[in-house]
Amino acid sequence: AQKITQTQPGMFVQEKEAVTLDCTYDTSDPSYGLFWYKQPSSGEMIFLIYQGSYDQQNATEGRYSLNFQKARKSANLVISASQLGDSAMYFCAMREAYTGNQFYFGTGTSLTVIP
Amino acid sequence: DSGVTQTPKHLITATGQRVTLRCSPRSGDLSVYWYQQSLDQGLQFLIQYYNGEERAKGNILERFSAQQFPDLHSELNLSSLELGDSALYFCASSATGNSGYTFGSGTRLTVV
Repeated sequence: AQKITQTQPGMFVQEKEAVTLDCTYDTSDPSYGLFWYKQPSSGEMIFLIYQGSYDQQNATEGRYSLNFQKARKSANLVISASQLGDSAMYFCAMREAYTGNQFYFGTGTSLTVIP
Repeated sequence: DSGVTQTPKHLITATGQRVTLRCSPRSGDLSVYWYQQSLDQGLQFLIQYYNGEERAKGNILERFSAQQFPDLHSELNLSSLELGDSALYFCASSATGNSGYTFGSGTRLTVV
């Protein structure tokens, strides 16, 4: 079974609108971390936001927030007030604390912001 | 600058050749991870080292090997290169616990 599933290969959003990128995960570890990374066309991987499995509140970092629904095993990324510079690939990832140190990545979502 | 240094940034080589990719982790991070990102396979975990020892192995081919040195820098060796090995190779480092990865800027390998 896939550890991380991103079902949206491509998304479009109008500039200044909000957009949600979906991510579901699969783990039996009680302790895990969920991460989102941005990969612009230049190729580098940029860390955006982190949510721990025991965190009570949804993580926020500036215009990024993580909609964490533990029972549903989903960790959707919400980008508010989209900007042209947000056009990039976005990867959801998970790290299980007790079963290994490896990160599992989803296949990514390509976001295009339309002016 | 993320603090993780990868060299070289670009590499073009011929089939059958051998190359070495180098990574210096962020200061204080003991773990180094190598990933391969190709167009058709996404981000594939290759191997992890922790403080000089191999900790986890992913989909790493036998033609590929890696090591982490006492100063914690790591090298990924790719030999008998094939066209299909063309990809972006990332190194990442992390501290312990639930902290995230910090990625290097990657090495873009093109095999011709």
